[in-house]
Amino acid sequence: GNSVTQMEGPVTLSEEAFLTINCTYTATGYPSLFWYVQYPGEGLQLLLKATKADDKGSNKGFEATYRKETTSFHLEKGSVQVSDSAVYFCALRGYGNKLVFGAGTILRVKS
Amino acid sequence: EAGVAQSPRYKIIEKRQSVAFWCNPISGHATLYWYQQILGQGPKLLIQFQNNGVVDDSQLPKDRFSAERLKGVDSTLKIQPAKLEDSAVYLCASSWGQGAGETQYFGPGTRLLVL
Repeated sequence: GNSVTQMEGPVTLSEEAFLTINCTYTATGYPSLFWYVQYPGEGLQLLLKATKADDKGSNKGFEATYRKETTSFHLEKGSVQVSDSAVYFCALRGYGNKLVFGAGTILRVKS
Repeated sequence: EAGVAQSPRYKIIEKRQSVAFWCNPISGHATLYWYQQILGQGPKLLIQFQNNGVVDDSQLPKDRFSAERLKGVDSTLKIQPAKLEDSAVYLCASSWGQGAGETQYFGPGTRLLVL
């Protein structure tokens, strides 16, 4: 079945540091890939998505590229802010299939 | 545009009691989902509706969980009787359709504690 593996946290960074959160997946066919973010006390929000190989999703300074050859969708940001502190979830979905989430990675950004 | 609404936000019950959660999706969204998110884990799909029909309930513990979506709009998820391991956040989400690239919009969740 489909599955997502993302790096364990928490990830602790200083403000303006470079962020990478690794995500790899196992799936049949050609799934769509997503990053969701959950800020403290709030619900899940879509951060970005990519629906086919080599697509790059981007939003709020975050980027992720759909790499079919390495089955990866790593999340990156060039300069994190304290307000980026949240839990980040990588997820995938094939047509007609359920949205499958990774376990989540806690990001803490210190000023 | 109003988001996905859920109530209650918090619920504390004792084991073997019953509980119900309510969800109102974004207007016009045909697809509605219920997820269970246990602390430290990603959300897990319990059930998916397309209008008022069930598309996928393969991970719903049907001996104790039930859900309905009458008239294809609001939905209710019920647990009866509750067990300690049901303590989790129950998330409702909705989307326009079922395509793989469809964005799902999540509500704030209901945090359930079973004592």
